[in-house]
Order: sequence, then C-alpha cells, then structure tokens
Amino acid sequence: DSGVTQTPKHLITATGQRVTLRCSPRSGDLSVYWYQQSLDQGLQFLIQYYNGEERAKGNILERFSAQQFPDLHSELNLSSLELGDSALYFCASSVGPYGSTDTQYFGPGTRLTVL
Amino acid sequence: DQQVKQNSPSLSVQEGRISILNCDYTNSMFDYFLWYKKYPAEGPTFLISISSIKDKNEDGRFTVFLNKSAKHLSLHIVPSQPGDSAVYFCAASLGNTDKLIFGTGTRLQVFP
Repeated sequence: DSGVTQTPKHLITATGQRVTLRCSPRSGDLSVYWYQQSLDQGLQFLIQYYNGEERAKGNILERFSAQQFPDLHSELNLSSLELGDSALYFCASSVGPYGSTDTQYFGPGTRLTVL
Repeated sequence: DQQVKQNSPSLSVQEGRISILNCDYTNSMFDYFLWYKKYPAEGPTFLISISSIKDKNEDGRFTVFLNKSAKHLSLHIVPSQPGDSAVYFCAASLGNTDKLIFGTGTRLQVFP
C-alpha cells in the first residue's frame, strides 16, 4: 500500500459526460501528479500540483482540468468525454516539487470507461 | 513521437537466472532515468534510478546500466524470483522540466 488513495476505482460513463477523479496523497506529501495510461501505452504525464499551485503541465487536453485543495487532495475533472478518453488514470504524490528526483508514490488508479 | 522506447513487450526468464530489461531513448538531454515496477491492479512502484553522470547504479538484486553514447538503459535482475513477475516501466526526465516520460513497459514473467 503506497498510502495514496484514489476514488472511484472504476467509472463507466457515456460520451459527452463529465467526471471527477479524486486523489488523496500520502501524509506529508505536498506534490500530486496525474497520469493517463491508455491501452498498450506508457504513462502519459498530465499535470503536477505542488502545495496548491500548478507546477508542471504535460499533454493535458483543454477538456481536462485539475486542482489541489488546501487539504492537499486533488481532483481531475474530465469533460465532454470521448471514447478515446477511456484509460487508467493514476495519481502519484511526492514530498517535494521535483518530479524526477523526488520518489513518486502511485495510487492504484481509476479505470475510466467511456461508452 | 515516443522519446522513451521499450521494444520488448514481454520477457520470460527462469527463476534464478538473470533478467535483462532494455530501454532506449532519443533525447540526449535527458539527465535522470528511473525504473518502476507494476503489479496488476496496483500503481507503479519506484525501483531504482540513475543520474546521467553515472553509468551504473546497484541496489541489491537490481542494477541499472546507462550507456549515454548509445542512448540505452538496461535493468538487470539477478537472481530473478517469481515475485519479480510484473510490468517494468523505464522513465526519463529533463532536469529543467521535472516531467517523467515513460516507456510502454515490458512484462516480465519469471517461471520456476
């Protein structure tokens, strides 16, 4: 158990809908990262928050947005969903702001299926 | 454009033997490399890392080798154990961006 929790575990929705994925980091970690893993793909970095502020941005679509709240939990909002958004979404956390050298601890992921 | 490539989707090794997982990258500016292991229904777990100023880093049964001229990274597991059966991802980063770029993973199966 990494100490990172993600809810829900599974989510099935229809095209055009909007969903929210939630992540609680490990106690004491200030950074939260979001990744997308599509079928047979590696993890694609989406976005990082550090202590409530956006720190780094990857290939995140404009239909997607995220935020980190004062209690450090984070939410990833996906809107106008398309079939291609079906994927595993992972959240990770780390103590510091450095995505490469600070060890990232991953949650178990949320599997999103868009029908 | 896949900047980090793991060309072998799967590898099967007998228990006790060496497992060698390979990773190639295209961007010579990458300065930090990592390996993660992933079991089914779990998130990836950090395994070992190496800075571009080194060519080898060892941690118990796991050793990572970096060949900068060939833009090649490998993970050696010796001896391999059934519990090592998992998907292994290599990742690279540019220091000034701190973003991790992952490969597509190699599924390792260690059989008795």
